[in-house]
Amino acid sequence: NAGVTQTPKFQVLKTGQSMTLQCAQDMNHNSMYWYRQDPGMGLRLIYYSASEGTTDKGEVPNGYNVSRLNKREFSLRLESAAPSQTSVYFCASHSVGLAGAGDTQYFGPGTRLTVL
Amino acid sequence: KQEVTQIPAALSVPEGENLVLNCSFTDSAIYNLQWFRQDPGKGLTSLLLIQSSQREQTSGRLNASLDKSSGRSTLYIAASQPGDSATYLCAVRGAGNMLTFGGGTRLMVKP
Repeated sequence: NAGVTQTPKFQVLKTGQSMTLQCAQDMNHNSMYWYRQDPGMGLRLIYYSASEGTTDKGEVPNGYNVSRLNKREFSLRLESAAPSQTSVYFCASHSVGLAGAGDTQYFGPGTRLTVL
Repeated sequence: KQEVTQIPAALSVPEGENLVLNCSFTDSAIYNLQWFRQDPGKGLTSLLLIQSSQREQTSGRLNASLDKSSGRSTLYIAASQPGDSATYLCAVRGAGNMLTFGGGTRLMVKP
Protein backbone atom coordinates (compact mmCIF):
# COMPACT_ATOMS: atom_id res chain seq x y z
CA ASN A 1 0.00 0.00 0.00
CA ALA A 2 1.95 3.00 -1.32
CA GLY A 3 -0.61 5.65 -0.28
CA VAL A 4 -0.34 8.79 -2.43
CA THR A 5 2.50 8.92 -4.96
CA GLN A 6 3.64 11.87 -7.06
CA THR A 7 5.97 12.17 -10.02
CA PRO A 8 8.32 13.79 -10.65
CA LYS A 9 9.92 14.74 -7.34
CA PHE A 10 11.83 17.67 -8.84
CA GLN A 11 11.44 19.65 -12.06
CA VAL A 12 13.03 22.73 -13.57
CA LEU A 13 11.22 24.45 -16.42
CA LYS A 14 11.84 27.50 -18.55
CA THR A 15 9.16 30.16 -18.80
CA GLY A 16 6.56 29.11 -21.35
CA GLN A 17 7.24 25.38 -21.18
CA SER A 18 4.48 22.97 -20.29
CA MET A 19 4.43 19.93 -18.04
CA THR A 20 2.10 17.56 -16.23
CA LEU A 21 2.41 16.54 -12.60
CA GLN A 22 1.15 13.06 -11.91
CA CYS A 23 -0.59 11.82 -8.79
CA ALA A 24 -1.96 8.39 -7.93
CA GLN A 25 -3.53 6.87 -4.82
CA ASP A 26 -4.18 3.24 -4.02
CA MET A 27 -6.57 3.73 -1.10
CA ASN A 28 -9.79 3.74 -3.16
CA HIS A 29 -10.53 7.34 -2.13
CA ASN A 30 -13.16 9.26 -4.01
CA SER A 31 -11.79 12.78 -3.51
CA MET A 32 -8.42 14.08 -4.65
CA TYR A 33 -6.77 17.50 -4.35
CA TRP A 34 -3.89 19.59 -5.68
CA TYR A 35 -2.25 22.18 -3.44
CA ARG A 36 0.70 24.49 -3.76
CA GLN A 37 2.93 25.56 -0.89
CA ASP A 38 4.99 28.72 -1.01
CA PRO A 39 7.61 29.76 1.57
CA GLY A 40 6.07 30.98 4.81
CA MET A 41 2.59 30.18 3.61
CA GLY A 42 0.30 27.30 4.20
CA LEU A 43 -1.00 25.08 1.47
CA ARG A 44 -3.44 26.67 -0.98
CA LEU A 45 -5.93 24.59 -2.94
CA ILE A 46 -5.54 24.73 -6.73
CA TYR A 47 -8.14 22.21 -7.92
CA TYR A 48 -10.00 19.29 -6.46
CA SER A 49 -12.01 16.33 -7.68
CA ALA A 50 -14.83 15.16 -5.42
CA SER A 51 -15.30 12.00 -7.46
CA GLU A 52 -14.22 10.38 -10.69
CA GLY A 53 -15.35 12.50 -13.62
CA THR A 54 -15.71 15.77 -11.71
CA THR A 55 -13.27 18.61 -11.08
CA ASP A 56 -13.67 22.02 -9.46
CA LYS A 57 -11.57 25.11 -8.96
CA GLY A 58 -10.00 25.88 -5.63
CA GLU A 59 -8.51 29.09 -4.32
CA VAL A 60 -5.72 29.57 -6.91
CA PRO A 61 -6.67 27.82 -10.20
CA ASN A 62 -5.31 30.33 -12.73
CA GLY A 63 -2.61 28.90 -14.99
CA TYR A 64 -3.48 25.28 -14.22
CA ASN A 65 -5.67 22.52 -15.61
CA VAL A 66 -6.49 19.13 -14.14
CA SER A 67 -7.66 15.73 -15.30
CA ARG A 68 -9.22 13.03 -13.17
CA LEU A 69 -8.18 10.14 -15.38
CA ASN A 70 -9.81 7.47 -13.25
CA LYS A 71 -10.46 6.91 -9.56
CA ARG A 72 -6.77 6.41 -8.83
CA GLU A 73 -5.16 9.22 -10.83
CA PHE A 74 -5.41 13.00 -10.78
CA SER A 75 -3.01 15.05 -12.88
CA LEU A 76 -2.13 18.75 -12.83
CA ARG A 77 -1.01 20.49 -16.01
CA LEU A 78 0.84 23.76 -16.47
CA GLU A 79 0.26 24.82 -20.08
CA SER A 80 2.68 27.76 -20.11
CA ALA A 81 4.79 27.87 -16.98
CA ALA A 82 5.56 31.21 -15.31
CA PRO A 83 8.11 32.05 -12.57
CA SER A 84 5.16 32.72 -10.22
CA GLN A 85 4.37 29.01 -10.42
CA THR A 86 7.65 28.11 -8.73
CA SER A 87 6.42 26.22 -5.70
CA VAL A 88 6.06 22.85 -4.03
CA TYR A 89 3.01 20.98 -5.26
CA PHE A 90 1.19 18.45 -3.12
CA CYS A 91 -1.45 15.98 -4.09
CA ALA A 92 -3.83 14.61 -1.48
CA SER A 93 -6.68 12.16 -1.31
CA HIS A 94 -9.55 12.09 1.10
CA SER A 95 -10.95 9.38 3.27
CA VAL A 96 -14.25 9.70 5.05
CA GLY A 97 -14.19 7.62 8.18
CA LEU A 98 -16.93 5.90 10.10
CA ALA A 99 -19.58 8.13 11.59
CA GLY A 100 -17.98 10.09 14.41
CA ALA A 101 -14.52 8.85 13.55
CA GLY A 102 -13.54 11.95 11.67
CA ASP A 103 -11.81 12.10 8.36
CA THR A 104 -8.44 13.12 7.05
CA GLN A 105 -6.58 13.86 3.87
CA TYR A 106 -3.50 11.83 2.97
CA PHE A 107 -0.69 13.70 1.26
CA GLY A 108 1.94 12.72 -1.27
CA PRO A 109 5.63 13.68 -0.84
CA GLY A 110 5.41 16.71 -3.13
CA THR A 111 6.90 17.91 -6.41
CA ARG A 112 9.40 20.75 -6.19
CA LEU A 113 9.00 22.89 -9.31
CA THR A 114 11.26 25.76 -10.34
CA VAL A 115 10.35 27.95 -13.32
CA LEU A 116 13.22 30.04 -14.64
CA LYS B 1 -13.41 33.74 3.46
CA GLN B 2 -11.78 31.57 6.11
CA GLU B 3 -8.36 32.71 7.27
CA VAL B 4 -6.10 30.65 9.50
CA THR B 5 -3.20 32.17 11.42
CA GLN B 6 -0.47 30.38 13.34
CA ILE B 7 1.67 31.98 16.00
CA PRO B 8 4.60 31.90 16.41
CA ALA B 9 6.00 31.42 12.92
CA ALA B 10 9.15 29.88 14.37
CA LEU B 11 10.13 28.53 17.76
CA SER B 12 13.38 27.21 19.20
CA VAL B 13 13.40 25.45 22.56
CA PRO B 14 15.78 23.25 24.55
CA GLU B 15 15.00 19.57 24.80
CA GLY B 16 12.58 18.64 27.57
CA GLU B 17 10.48 21.80 27.51
CA ASN B 18 6.72 21.72 27.27
CA LEU B 19 5.47 23.99 24.53
CA VAL B 20 2.28 25.37 23.00
CA LEU B 21 1.60 26.17 19.39
CA ASN B 22 -1.32 28.42 18.55
CA CYS B 23 -3.80 28.45 15.70
CA SER B 24 -6.67 30.87 15.14
CA PHE B 25 -9.37 30.95 12.49
CA THR B 26 -11.86 33.63 11.48
CA ASP B 27 -14.99 31.61 10.65
CA SER B 28 -16.25 29.36 13.43
CA ALA B 29 -18.47 27.35 11.06
CA ILE B 30 -16.04 24.47 10.74
CA TYR B 31 -16.48 20.69 10.61
CA ASN B 32 -13.14 19.86 12.13
CA LEU B 33 -9.63 21.11 12.78
CA GLN B 34 -6.52 19.13 12.07
CA TRP B 35 -2.88 19.41 13.08
CA PHE B 36 -0.24 18.17 10.65
CA ARG B 37 3.48 17.67 10.88
CA GLN B 38 5.74 18.39 7.92
CA ASP B 39 9.39 17.34 7.86
CA PRO B 40 11.78 19.15 5.51
CA GLY B 41 11.31 18.01 1.94
CA LYS B 42 8.43 15.73 2.88
CA GLY B 43 4.67 15.67 2.69
CA LEU B 44 2.24 16.22 5.53
CA THR B 45 1.42 13.70 8.22
CA SER B 46 -1.79 14.03 10.21
CA LEU B 47 -1.20 14.23 13.96
CA LEU B 48 -4.58 14.96 15.49
CA LEU B 49 -8.07 15.69 14.20
CA ILE B 50 -10.68 17.38 16.39
CA GLN B 51 -14.30 17.30 15.35
CA SER B 52 -16.25 20.52 15.80
CA SER B 53 -18.23 18.93 18.63
CA GLN B 54 -15.07 17.93 20.53
CA ARG B 55 -12.91 19.98 22.87
CA GLU B 56 -9.64 18.11 22.66
CA GLN B 57 -7.75 15.12 21.34
CA THR B 58 -4.66 13.41 22.73
CA SER B 59 -2.03 11.20 21.17
CA GLY B 60 1.00 10.32 23.24
CA ARG B 61 2.81 13.52 24.17
CA LEU B 62 0.53 15.62 21.98
CA ASN B 63 -2.68 17.28 23.08
CA ALA B 64 -4.79 19.50 20.85
CA SER B 65 -7.65 21.64 22.07
CA LEU B 66 -10.38 23.42 20.18
CA ASP B 67 -12.48 26.41 21.20
CA LYS B 68 -14.71 26.83 18.19
CA SER B 69 -16.63 29.82 19.49
CA SER B 70 -13.47 31.87 19.93
CA GLY B 71 -11.81 30.50 16.80
CA ARG B 72 -8.77 29.06 18.55
CA SER B 73 -6.85 25.82 18.81
CA THR B 74 -3.66 24.94 20.62
CA LEU B 75 -1.25 22.07 20.16
CA TYR B 76 0.56 21.15 23.36
CA ILE B 77 3.75 19.12 23.12
CA ALA B 78 5.00 17.67 26.38
CA ALA B 79 8.64 16.95 27.12
CA SER B 80 9.86 18.01 23.69
CA GLN B 81 12.55 15.96 21.91
CA PRO B 82 14.91 16.77 19.02
CA GLY B 83 12.84 14.39 16.90
CA ASP B 84 9.89 16.78 17.30
CA SER B 85 11.72 19.34 15.13
CA ALA B 86 9.50 19.98 12.13
CA THR B 87 6.92 22.41 10.79
CA TYR B 88 3.48 22.10 12.35
CA LEU B 89 0.46 23.12 10.32
CA CYS B 90 -3.13 23.51 11.40
CA ALA B 91 -5.99 23.30 8.96
CA VAL B 92 -9.74 23.75 9.27
CA ARG B 93 -12.33 21.97 7.20
CA GLY B 94 -15.30 24.09 6.16
CA ALA B 95 -17.94 23.52 3.52
CA GLY B 96 -17.29 20.49 1.37
CA ASN B 97 -14.08 18.64 2.02
CA MET B 98 -11.75 21.56 1.50
CA LEU B 99 -9.08 22.47 4.01
CA THR B 100 -7.81 25.96 4.78
CA PHE B 101 -4.26 25.93 6.14
CA GLY B 102 -2.34 28.24 8.41
CA GLY B 103 1.20 29.30 7.52
CA GLY B 104 2.78 26.87 9.97
CA THR B 105 5.08 27.03 12.99
CA ARG B 106 8.65 25.91 12.39
CA LEU B 107 9.84 24.17 15.56
CA MET B 108 13.41 23.38 16.47
CA VAL B 109 14.16 21.39 19.61
CA LYS B 110 17.82 21.63 20.58
CA PRO B 111 19.57 18.74 22.36
